[in-house]
Amino acid sequence: SQTIHQWPATLVQPVGSPLSLECTVEGTSNPNLYWYRQAAGRGLQLLFYSVGIGQISSEVPQNLSASRPQDRQFILSSKKLLLSDSGFYLCAWRRIGRTEAFFGQGTRLTVV
Amino acid sequence: DAKTTQPTSMDCAEGRAANLPCNHSTISGNEYVYWYRQIHSQGPQYIIHGLKNNETNEMASLIITEDRKSSTLILPHATLRDTAVYYCIAFLGTDKLIFGTGTRLQVFP
Repeated sequence: SQTIHQWPATLVQPVGSPLSLECTVEGTSNPNLYWYRQAAGRGLQLLFYSVGIGQISSEVPQNLSASRPQDRQFILSSKKLLLSDSGFYLCAWRRIGRTEAFFGQGTRLTVV
Repeated sequence: DAKTTQPTSMDCAEGRAANLPCNHSTISGNEYVYWYRQIHSQGPQYIIHGLKNNETNEMASLIITEDRKSSTLILPHATLRDTAVYYCIAFLGTDKLIFGTGTRLQVFP
């Protein structure tokens, strides 16, 4: 069966510090991978998606970047965090085609 | 992918059916209707999807109008654990997966 791992669950970082959130998927190959952010009380905002190794599409200009160094690994990064980067970050995967998406448990990031 | 419109919030008594509407008047012929829900502080969970015909699974039923411009998600016997934000998405199956703001369903005792 397929599983998705996202860590850490919570993170408190100072303004200006770097960020690295990792997401890995097991039990499938060549998944579509997604990073979303959810600000407090708001909806899900698509940040990045990837259809293959090294292929990243950015949806919203921002202080973040994403990389996919391996088929089932998706990394969200920032060189210098801003207060506005605080939020609930979710990783998701789905097979190509009209298939459902599966989400990780999320990382709650607080920038102080 | 077509835009969807959902009410901001709804209430439902425990044990009663919860009927969550979704408008997707610009849906194209090959876009499916997907429903997800997000319980507080968790990642969204897939519920059900359909194209034209009504669909039912162990979680819910999906009723799609004949013109496909709207649909209704039915939770037949709502429980307190069904309190969540419910998202309706018209999805072509391409790479992007965009969520709207959803409906916040509150099930009360």
